[in-house]
Amino acid sequence: DAKTTQPNSMESNEEEPVHLPCNHSTISGTDYIHWYRQLPSQGPEYVIHGLTSNVNNRMASLAIAEDRKSSTLILHRATLRDAAVYYCILRAVVRSQGNLIFGKGTKLSVKP
Amino acid sequence: DGGITQSPKYLFRKEGQNVTLSCEQNLNHDAMYWYRQDPGQGLRLIYYSQIVNDFQKGDIAEGYSVSREKKESFPLTVTSAQKNPTAFYLCASSILDYSEQFFGPGTRLTVL
Repeated sequence: DAKTTQPNSMESNEEEPVHLPCNHSTISGTDYIHWYRQLPSQGPEYVIHGLTSNVNNRMASLAIAEDRKSSTLILHRATLRDAAVYYCILRAVVRSQGNLIFGKGTKLSVKP
Repeated sequence: DGGITQSPKYLFRKEGQNVTLSCEQNLNHDAMYWYRQDPGQGLRLIYYSQIVNDFQKGDIAEGYSVSREKKESFPLTVTSAQKNPTAFYLCASSILDYSEQFFGPGTRLTVL
């Protein structure tokens, strides 16, 4: 399975934008890029996913490099509730085991 | 409200005892998953089920067992054969085996 690389931790100030990077140099053509986040002592929560084009939803935006070897999750205005561990995950769209392969993610701290 | 529930939230077990963790969903999802999370780590797949009466081992199935007799339910039994069962256990479900996963709140198991 293709792997992803994320910084261990990042800090942000409240109400400022946050750019969370993810490298996935071995991504294959059938891999979608998924982002989940996990608040302390809770289950992970789906954030966004994309294949080639940039994607926006109510929670965040996903910017995907043209060569698809990296992507960036963008939180437009960080709030204290956004403090969580963010996981970047590659997911092949084929009938398979179907599980998500989680790395250690990026721990985002948000300062008031 | 549709969702996925896990019970209990906290569970204590004496060494050598089997214990069953509950997972129920009313989202009408076909696929269900069990993950284990250790402190500071990502999630690892224990078992998954793509359809009723069928399930497959994940990466760390040894010492665990599951059943899928009903679409809504996917209980996990932690047996005495599991050498280090103290962990945070998360159940998830998805419409298809490659679509976004919805996670329950988790069960924190402590072996005394």
